Amino acid sequence: DAMVIQNPRYQVTQFGKPVTLSCSQTLNHNVMYWYQQKSSQAPKLLFHYYDKDFNNEADTPDNFQSRRPNTSFCFLDIRSPGLGDAAMYLCATSRNRDRAYNEQFFGPGTRLTVL
Amino acid sequence: TQLLEQSPQFLSIQEGENLTVYCNSSSVFSSLQWYRQEPGEGPVLLVTVVTGGEVKKLKRLTFQFGDARKDSSLHITAAQPGDTGLYLCAGRGSGNTPLVFGKGTRLSVIA
Repeated sequence: DAMVIQNPRYQVTQFGKPVTLSCSQTLNHNVMYWYQQKSSQAPKLLFHYYDKDFNNEADTPDNFQSRRPNTSFCFLDIRSPGLGDAAMYLCATSRNRDRAYNEQFFGPGTRLTVL
Repeated sequence: TQLLEQSPQFLSIQEGENLTVYCNSSSVFSSLQWYRQEPGEGPVLLVTVVTGGEVKKLKRLTFQFGDARKDSSLHITAAQPGDTGLYLCAGRGSGNTPLVFGKGTRLSVIA
């Protein structure tokens, strides 16, 4: 089945120790998104890639970076995790971004714990 | 900034009851999507509504998009414990604007 896969499902890191989260998709979608979701809150968009074009949200801290080496994979790098970065990180994909039926398909998420 | 307000924030009901959750905004959206998210998982898309006044049904779930495309509702008939989860609405503006998510309604259906 076509899907969005995130690894690992659970990640524990230490304060200030860089961490990378991984997302892959078999849907061949053009757009890949990274969201941060804290407990009882809505997902917050960090950035997205439209093909190779990177689009950062204005309020995303510089501590968060992303890479998309090819259509299938996208990575979220947190350079110096703080306690406030503990959250669920969701990857999503969509075929396009400029149409009403911009349906996004989410992965299962990676829950990040910062000690 | 486009905002989506969802109500109620929490809802706990008995199996077999009916319920409605709401998603409201002062902004117009070109489309609106409803997702269900279970604990520890990503949101799963339930439906997309595009046309003002549109009604879509998915088994016991009925989704409606307001005539002015500023609000939406989700009605569940004869709720079951399997309906338990966080229900998120997400609206899409014009052009390349990203989806705007509401904070969600956390539904608990007790057997």
